[in-house]
Amino acid sequence: QKEVEQNSGPLSVPEGAIASLNCTYSDRGSQSFFWYRQYSGKSPELIMFIYSNGDKEDGRFTAQLNKASQYVSLLIRDSQPSDSATYLCAAREYGNKLVFGAGTILRVKS
Amino acid sequence: DGGITQSPKYLFRKEGQNVTLSCEQNLNHDAMYWYRQDPGQGLRLIYYSQIVNDFQKGDIAEGYSVSREKKESFPLTVTSAQKNPTAFYLCASTGTGDQPQHFGDGTRLSIL
Repeated sequence: QKEVEQNSGPLSVPEGAIASLNCTYSDRGSQSFFWYRQYSGKSPELIMFIYSNGDKEDGRFTAQLNKASQYVSLLIRDSQPSDSATYLCAAREYGNKLVFGAGTILRVKS
Repeated sequence: DGGITQSPKYLFRKEGQNVTLSCEQNLNHDAMYWYRQDPGQGLRLIYYSQIVNDFQKGDIAEGYSVSREKKESFPLTVTSAQKNPTAFYLCASTGTGDQPQHFGDGTRLSIL
């Protein structure tokens, strides 16, 4: 069974700090990885995707991928209370299917 | 506006009843997916379809059925065989290549 593991949290950070969210995956064949943000009671919305080793930056968000360690992370700089949500990590597998982690709850305190 | 429309937003099922959740997209996406989310858990794949008139079971297909008669539509039926249907149901779609999946607003199903 292919798995994506995330620490459930909650991860609490003060406003303006950097939030670091981590994810590991079991399938070495996975090539594409996605971070979704989900507010309570709402559907997931895509934040970042990354396909290559290294860092990918988009505004306050940076995704990092290390395929050798099977590790994906999401950094949120200058965290805001509006960033408080559950962050879902997903790995794409054969057939264009996604395997999701259970999500990490992030709380940004003002 | 282009997007994925799920209806209804809330649905209640009686014992022994089949209910159908609607998912329509106007993004011209080939692939469509149904996921189930239980409280505090990630998304689990129920069924997916990569082309019209073809679909495959996901990890938790038992008690569910789908059809894909049109590219735009991928309805999910929760049958009476699904003994624990209470969950948040999410429909997603994606285009060709390595594009990410995008989600509809979801349908919350409860048992009466």
